[in-house]
Amino acid sequence: AQTVTQSQPEMSVQEAETVTLSCTYDTSESDYYLFWYKQPPSRQMILVIRQEAYKQQNATENRFSVNFQKAAKSFSLKISDSQLGDAAMYFCAYKVEYGNKLVFGAGTILRVKS
Amino acid sequence: GAVVSQHPSWVICKSGTSVKIECRSLDFQATTMFWYRQFPKQSLMLMATSNEGSKATYEQGVEKDKFLINHASLTLSTLTVTSAHPEDSSFYICSARGGLAGVAHYNEQFFGPGTRLTVL
Repeated sequence: AQTVTQSQPEMSVQEAETVTLSCTYDTSESDYYLFWYKQPPSRQMILVIRQEAYKQQNATENRFSVNFQKAAKSFSLKISDSQLGDAAMYFCAYKVEYGNKLVFGAGTILRVKS
Repeated sequence: GAVVSQHPSWVICKSGTSVKIECRSLDFQATTMFWYRQFPKQSLMLMATSNEGSKATYEQGVEKDKFLINHASLTLSTLTVTSAHPEDSSFYICSARGGLAGVAHYNEQFFGPGTRLTVL
């Protein structure tokens, strides 16, 4: 079974600094998708970034970028120039291609200090 | 595009009553919808997957007679918590996926804003 592990229950970052959230996963599949979701205090799940496993290039969305290491099964999220609005719970998630289910990690609470 | 709504956003009910939560895809046809449950500061736990016009597939440990799911149309799924008890109090989130005309990310799930259920 596929599993997703987020080993950092909580992280803190100073405003304008950079922070990296860790995620590892376990799968025997070769084609899959990886996602980072943000859940702010409103609890609305927001897609931050996605990565297709077949793409070697790391995905980037403005201040958010990933470090995808397929062989190591690692998928970390880097947030640059952190802003107060980045404070939220972040979930790493996995989905096999053509499958239905998203497998979520336990989440990392990110606190941003002003 | 790809907006999912949930209604109600917050509901309080007495123990023993039933509560229905609606999940709607507003601008796309959702062939598949998902229902999650989330406790405070925890991850999302998938309860069931429903495909339009067919019976829902429940995850292990989820009581299908207690959590009734109906996906009668391509834009609406409902979750009914029957004979609710205080331990059913939680945050319920739906998501939807489907073929989106002109949108390539059909492998994504689009999430509703959630429903907070409190059973007294």
